[in-house]
Amino acid sequence: GDSVTQMEGPVTLSEEAFLTINCTYTATGYPSLFWYVQYPGEGLQLLLKATKADDKGSNKGFEATYRKETTSFHLEKGSVQVSDSAVYFCAPLLPPGRDNYGQNFVFGPGTRLSVLP
Amino acid sequence: DAGITQSPRHKVTETGTPVTLRCHQTENHRYMYWYRQDPGHGLRLIHYSYGVKDTDKGEVSDGYSVSRSKTEDFLLTLESATSSQTSVYFCAISEWTDNQPQHFGDGTRLSIL
Repeated sequence: GDSVTQMEGPVTLSEEAFLTINCTYTATGYPSLFWYVQYPGEGLQLLLKATKADDKGSNKGFEATYRKETTSFHLEKGSVQVSDSAVYFCAPLLPPGRDNYGQNFVFGPGTRLSVLP
Repeated sequence: DAGITQSPRHKVTETGTPVTLRCHQTENHRYMYWYRQDPGHGLRLIHYSYGVKDTDKGEVSDGYSVSRSKTEDFLLTLESATSSQTSVYFCAISEWTDNQPQHFGDGTRLSIL
């Protein structure tokens, strides 16, 4: 069935280090792809998105490229800051199924990032 | 930020009591969702609504019911709360167009003793 595999956490980095969080998905169609971020005590916030193959989403220095051939959407940032410490979720939006009236978001388990000063 | 308000933000109650959580939106979005978030499980969909009085089950709907009598309000009810329903509950909304993200409320932390 449809699923998301996300890099296991926690990930601990020093400030200004390079970040990669891997995300791959399995789906029968061509989903739109999203990364969400959750800061402590808050709900999830949209970080970036890509809606078709080879699209690059970017926001706040984070980037992710829609790779259809590898069904991946890895999150990267060139220089992390302490304020980037949060939990990151990869979430494909799958095409609706025959009996599905809702938008079919599938969330990965989340990757906790801790950035040390 | 999307106008989503969850109430209450925190609640402690006893096993066997009924509990209702409320989600209120000011965005006039068609879709509304209830999730629970637990360590090791990520986000799991409980129920969702695709219009007034139109709801459907998610992957963990047992023990929960929902109602949507107005576009802006989506209620989640635990008829007889159990300790396994201790969790953080999130409401989300989205528009009825392709490729649009969900927007989340700040969550309700529910503890059932």
